[in-house]
Amino acid sequence: SYGLTQPSSVSLSPGQTATITCSGDAFPKQYGFWYQQKPGQAPLLVIYRDNLRPSGIPERFSGSTSGTTVTLTIRGVQAEDEADYYCQSADSSGASVVFGGGTKLTVL
Amino acid sequence: HVQLVESGGGLVKAGGSLTLSCEASGFSFSDYYMRWIRQAPGKGLEWVSYISSSNNYRDYADSVKGRFTISRDNSKNSLSLQMDSLRVEDTAVYYCARDQLYCAGTTCYHYFDQWGRGTLVTVSS
Repeated sequence: SYGLTQPSSVSLSPGQTATITCSGDAFPKQYGFWYQQKPGQAPLLVIYRDNLRPSGIPERFSGSTSGTTVTLTIRGVQAEDEADYYCQSADSSGASVVFGGGTKLTVL
Repeated sequence: HVQLVESGGGLVKAGGSLTLSCEASGFSFSDYYMRWIRQAPGKGLEWVSYISSSNNYRDYADSVKGRFTISRDNSKNSLSLQMDSLRVEDTAVYYCARDQLYCAGTTCYHYFDQWGRGTLVTVSS
């Protein structure tokens, strides 16, 4: 079945820029979406349709796409950004939603 | 203020049944597709089922097809998931999510802009 590939973990210091990639053959035909999940909480949509931010999401969160990869970038990462991040898209037909395996962002 | 509140989770033996509910408020419930998404302990997200806004279309992940039934009552702003023949591998937190369907031309895209806090379902052997 179709899948999205993310790195399992990313670690960096406060103030650095975090980049989390998500690869899938259906990109760029399909949009990429990103969710942040902190321990014990529900996922929160942070990027939709590749590069749009919902209201209330800080400007340091941005999204981009290139070929078969979508990327979530967090500029000037803060301790509060420590969380699991999941990408989401669909297969090339759009019939089935799929999530990436998640990336654990650690802010040292 | 959008709110989605799940209930109905608990401990059940394999082969048993459970019904989850999701009460929605703060938005026009009947205008939106709705979806159940689950997360096994320490694992990632998996969509389970979704239902169209007007209740005329529903779909299920292969892992639950034939065992789970999704329904909604737009008059009560509520969503349900009837889970039968439960298996140990169905153990997870089940989230109710608003399915923000976006269509451009003939292509439609699903994403989830509001989530409940989830309800834990534990299936024991």
